[in-house]
Amino acid sequence: RKEVEQDPGPFNVPEGATVAFNCTYSNSASQSFFWYRQDCRKEPKLLMSVYSSGNEDGRFTAQLNRASQYISLLIRDSKLSDSATYLCVVMYSGGYQKVTFGTGTKLQVIP
Amino acid sequence: DAGVTQSPTHLIKTRGQQVTLRCSPKSGHDTVSWYQQALGQGPQFIFQYYEEEERQRGNFPDRFSGHQFPNYSSELNVNALLLGDSALYLCASSRTGDLSGANVLTFGAGSRLTVL
Repeated sequence: RKEVEQDPGPFNVPEGATVAFNCTYSNSASQSFFWYRQDCRKEPKLLMSVYSSGNEDGRFTAQLNRASQYISLLIRDSKLSDSATYLCVVMYSGGYQKVTFGTGTKLQVIP
Repeated sequence: DAGVTQSPTHLIKTRGQQVTLRCSPKSGHDTVSWYQQALGQGPQFIFQYYEEEERQRGNFPDRFSGHQFPNYSSELNVNALLLGDSALYLCASSRTGDLSGANVLTFGAGSRLTVL
């Protein structure tokens, strides 16, 4: 089983739609969780951290379920500019930081 | 405040050759990690450097080696290049002990290596 698993998609959604991505992780000792966004042929960039209580940043909402070992990202009112690959990132810090990426979920927002 | 810078941005090599990629971390960061990203895949961890030492390593052969300098900059060396080494090589810097989002991982734009 992969350490971090994501549905690769692609998710093709119309503008204005709500879309949700899930990500599961295998290491129950994982401590920090993030969503990164990667545009085609560009580097990944931090979208948002994921906190236990859930957190929101504008149209984006991230949630963490430690019991079931998954994190989610919800995008409301999708824009064309949201088209990208969304990478789930899990960090374990046991003396040093071990960061593991999912394979990414590709989102295509259609006019 | 400069972010992570990498060089070169693109390069073409032939099988069997050697390549060196360079990375300067974001100001205030002391840890450099290298990732390989093949087309359509997520970044795969190669290794991480802290205090000029390799602190952890992913599942990559010894052909992949690295170095960190006193100013925290880093190099990735790949010997005996194979066609399968063609990928985007990403450098990411961070600050050890800081798990806040802003300092977790900041990526450079990458070095795109093509092996013919």
